[in-house]
Amino acid sequence: DAGITQSPRHKVTETGTPVTLRCHQTENHRYMYWYRQDPGHGLRLIHYSYGVKDTDKGEVSDGYSVSRSKTEDFLLTLESATSSQTSVYFCAIRGGQGAQNYGYTFGSGTRLTVV
Amino acid sequence: AQSVTQLDSHVSVSEGTPVLLRCNYSSSYSPSLFWYVQHPNKGLQLLLKYTSAATLVKGINGFEAEFKKSETSFHLTKPSAHMSDAAEYFCVVSDRGTGGSYIPTFGRGTSLIVHP
Repeated sequence: DAGITQSPRHKVTETGTPVTLRCHQTENHRYMYWYRQDPGHGLRLIHYSYGVKDTDKGEVSDGYSVSRSKTEDFLLTLESATSSQTSVYFCAIRGGQGAQNYGYTFGSGTRLTVV
Repeated sequence: AQSVTQLDSHVSVSEGTPVLLRCNYSSSYSPSLFWYVQHPNKGLQLLLKYTSAATLVKGINGFEAEFKKSETSFHLTKPSAHMSDAAEYFCVVSDRGTGGSYIPTFGRGTSLIVHP
């Protein structure tokens, strides 16, 4: 399996503070994704990247920004954390090239609590 | 736009009986379809995938799924449930969006409960 790690694993932060979550891959995969998981909603896409400095919004992007300055790193930033952003965040990478899709590999998740 | 609907939020079975988790999808093109499993407080693990080869797909732990284009379905089955199968299951559709990017879309999940 492709290596993908998320940091931190757990974080508690105060309302109004900025927070950055990191996703790191050891493969050279082009596509990376950030999701949030909330009960009853499955996983919802926040932002994704299709290459270095190439990113786009998902369905729940308000209040979040991303950056990808290197192939291996995809950062998710909460500019000013709110309690509604308390969630579990997952990063994923897409295996395969072009139309080939070997599936998506997920990180272990980051549990974020905003108090 | 693509979408996926998991028809049951909870499925309850007895150990040793068959499992059926239902998934319908909508996609404009030829999608790839996946099933993932998530055990409590764990990450997501790929069970199986359909990527335009055989329509009956076999996965890990005895699970399989059949792609039915005419019914736009990709139901997950297992002949005999085991206690360790108790988990959340997600159906995922992935296709090339209008912008040319590949984006996986998740269903809301089905919680499988296995009774002894």
